[in-house]
Amino acid sequence: RKEVEQDPGPFNVPEGATVAFNCTYSNSASQSFFWYRQDCRKEPKLLMSVYSSGNEDGRFTAQLNRASQYISLLIRDSKLSDSATYLCVVNDLAGGATNKLIFGTGTLLAVQP
Amino acid sequence: EADIYQTPRYLVIGTGKKITLECSQTMGHDKMYWYQQDPGMELHLIHYSYGVNSTEKGDLSSESTVSRIRTEHFPLTLESARPSHTSQYLCASKQGSSPLHFGNGTRLTVT
Repeated sequence: RKEVEQDPGPFNVPEGATVAFNCTYSNSASQSFFWYRQDCRKEPKLLMSVYSSGNEDGRFTAQLNRASQYISLLIRDSKLSDSATYLCVVNDLAGGATNKLIFGTGTLLAVQP
Repeated sequence: EADIYQTPRYLVIGTGKKITLECSQTMGHDKMYWYQQDPGMELHLIHYSYGVNSTEKGDLSSESTVSRIRTEHFPLTLESARPSHTSQYLCASKQGSSPLHFGNGTRLTVT
């Protein structure tokens, strides 16, 4: 089993739709969580951190479920410009000063006009 | 927001050449990383550093080497480039448990 798992998609949705992605992680001791967005042939860019109480940034809502070990990203009122790959990133604290970043394989979102 | 720069942006080079990909960050981040990514594929960690004079190999075996003589620089070197090294190389940095910030990448083509 992979340490971080995402549905690769693609998710094809019409403009204006609401779409949700889940990401599961295997290490219950994982400490911090992030969603990144990556456009084709570009570098990943931080979309939002994921906090225990859940957090919202405009049309985007991120949630963490520690009991079930998954994080989610909800996008409301999808725009064409939301088309990208969404990467889930989990930061495991391996002890001492080290910490390990684990990337999911990404979920491809294609918003259709 | 972190400022992290990679040069060159694109590089086309012949087999057997030695190349160095540059990565610099101006935020004083202690941790720096090199990832390799083929188009449409996942990121693979090839090297990382937790501070000056600290370098470690990542999850993906790589023929490249890195150095961290100064906090802000983390160059990656290929002694003898091969077509199999053709890929995108992404440098990133972070401080503590903060999010990772990526440079805009170097797209390498070895002919």
